[in-house]
Amino acid sequence: KDQVFQPSTVASSEGAVVEIFCNHSVSNAYNFFWYLHFPGCAPRLLVKGSKPSQQGRYNMTYERFSSSLLILQVREADAAVYYCACPGGYNKLIFGAGTRLAVHP
Amino acid sequence: DTAVSQTPKYLVTQMGNDKSIKCEQNLGHDTMYWYKQDSKKFLKIMFSYNNKELIINETVPNRFSPKSPDKAHLNLHINSLELGDSAVYFCASSQGGGDMNTEAFFGQGTRLTVV
Repeated sequence: KDQVFQPSTVASSEGAVVEIFCNHSVSNAYNFFWYLHFPGCAPRLLVKGSKPSQQGRYNMTYERFSSSLLILQVREADAAVYYCACPGGYNKLIFGAGTRLAVHP
Repeated sequence: DTAVSQTPKYLVTQMGNDKSIKCEQNLGHDTMYWYKQDSKKFLKIMFSYNNKELIINETVPNRFSPKSPDKAHLNLHINSLELGDSAVYFCASSQGGGDMNTEAFFGQGTRLTVV
């Protein structure tokens, strides 16, 4: 069955590097997409690809069936839900259940 | 300007009613979607339209009927609402072509509560 797995919660202290892990069982999926979601707002793409990449404070690691989102110098304002997704066919993304990030001062 | 906009943001209605959620995108994208955020917070695809043509229908009850009057709009009509339909519904769009690296742009969601 095509699924994406990620932890339900991750907690960190301000200023640390946070890692959110994701792995999948999606057939023929070679890419990962990481989205940021503040409840009540539109989910927003942070980083994507089929190789390690970086966008500002967001780094993405890449293995064939797993990826991690690394958030550098995490802040309280980064507390949100982070979704991992993989392509599951024609223009279709399969999402995980989201990881809620808690940041402590 | 909002890229993907959906209305209303909140919708509270009684069981058995019929309701619609509207979505519009001004990105010039060919493909539009409806996703449902279920009780476990998964974002699950419901429908995908490409140039007004239905591409994906993910085993959604036929009480849910999407309508795409043009490629910038994809509305979701729900008949005979049930308690289990309560969820957040997200509209999204992407540039077409089947590219496996194509990202989706989302609206802010519509929280539907059926009482």
